[in-house]
Amino acid sequence: EAGVAQSPRYKIIEKRQSVAFWCNPISGHATLYWYQQILGQGPKLLIQFQNNGVVDDSQLPKDRFSAERLKGVDSTLKIQPAKLEDSAVYLCASSLGAGSQQETQYFGPGTRLLVL
Amino acid sequence: GENVEQHPSTLSVQEGDSAVIKCTYSDSASNYFPWYKQELGKGPQLIIDIRSNVGEKKDQRIAVTLNKTAKHFSLHITETQPEDSAVYFCAASIAGGSYIPTFGRGTSLIVHP
Repeated sequence: EAGVAQSPRYKIIEKRQSVAFWCNPISGHATLYWYQQILGQGPKLLIQFQNNGVVDDSQLPKDRFSAERLKGVDSTLKIQPAKLEDSAVYLCASSLGAGSQQETQYFGPGTRLLVL
Repeated sequence: GENVEQHPSTLSVQEGDSAVIKCTYSDSASNYFPWYKQELGKGPQLIIDIRSNVGEKKDQRIAVTLNKTAKHFSLHITETQPEDSAVYFCAASIAGGSYIPTFGRGTSLIVHP
């Protein structure tokens, strides 16, 4: 089966610019996650979708970050305006669901963002 | 919220040796503990997981142990090979309902040929 697809793989922008990342989860996976992984740290959850509804976005900096999952499939994560501290790898993951025995996450390759 | 501590941050071993990575968690309600391997330029990949109703789980050269009383769990890799070199992450979560894992900071494992 095809894995989680993400694009672009790399992005370099200047601070205060905007950027958008795209994720296509594994077919049939209801739950989609966006993580931020700063160099040398573990992934930190930004937002979790169940189908096209938001389950948790408590750690999403909502003044500059936004995400949507239209039609419960693909998702986009946007940053506007970007700050230097947003430089990180943005990982998308999907799972069958969030219930027991369904929570195994499959990660995409990530988008590496550098803000100058 | 949950807090996961992972040690060591770097582990260097000779090929054929064993490697052990340890994690502790703070929320006694956590019941699902996956381990991920992340190679350079790739996303994390699940290598093994354990649930709170099990004390140990093995898969070929990889094993995970869980001590619920002490709230710690460990990854054991035997007969290490150079291709085991990667960053390993532990995570803790409450499975069922809204599954929101908390990750450790990672261990960089280097296996010298």
